[in-house]
Amino acid sequence: ETGVTQTPRHLVMGMTNKKSLKCEQHLGHNAMYWYKQSAKKPLELMFVYNFKEQTENNSVPSRFSPECPNSSHLFLHLHTLQPEDSALYLCASSQEGTRTYEQYFGPGTRLTVT
Amino acid sequence: AQSVTQLDSQVPVFEEAPVELRCNYSSSVSVYLFWYVQYPNQGLQLLLKYLSGSTLVKGINGFEAEFNKSQTSFHLRKPSVHISDTAEYFCAVRTQGGSEKLVFGKGTKLTVNP
Repeated sequence: ETGVTQTPRHLVMGMTNKKSLKCEQHLGHNAMYWYKQSAKKPLELMFVYNFKEQTENNSVPSRFSPECPNSSHLFLHLHTLQPEDSALYLCASSQEGTRTYEQYFGPGTRLTVT
Repeated sequence: AQSVTQLDSQVPVFEEAPVELRCNYSSSVSVYLFWYVQYPNQGLQLLLKYLSGSTLVKGINGFEAEFNKSQTSFHLRKPSVHISDTAEYFCAVRTQGGSEKLVFGKGTKLTVNP
């Protein structure tokens, strides 16, 4: 248990559906991240929120829409996805401005787009 | 921009044998270095990190890594592995004084056989 929770753990959705992934961190951190993990590829950073402000959008298609209402919660809204979007989506958090630098990861949401 | 190369995608070893997982990085500036482990159906967990000081760092579960600046390497080692060490291992770098962004390698799948 790392202090970062993600729901749901598994999600199957059709290409026309709209769904949301939720992440919550209980560590008092001030930065949160979304990553995409596909087979045979490195982890891809999608979005970074630092003090609730989006500081990175790594050329992610607009069918992925992040939302960070406060420093403890992060959402990823999904709509009109493609089969190639099937992957494990990982959320992470960190405390920026200190000298620790590591990120703490949640267990991920396994997304399958049919 | 930084990049991370993990030369071995899969490493099979027998139980109680030593293991070394290789990681090389490329960066024009100084970096912080990390090793993460991912067990099946879980998120990433920090094994160890190098920020500064002694180039030999010790982590959890008996793992250690050595930072070699001249060879731009940060190889992970364990003198005697257990079945429970079977997992995927990721090397990552972060720029010193730069953004909070972590750049990951593609991972090495360690399989420990009885």
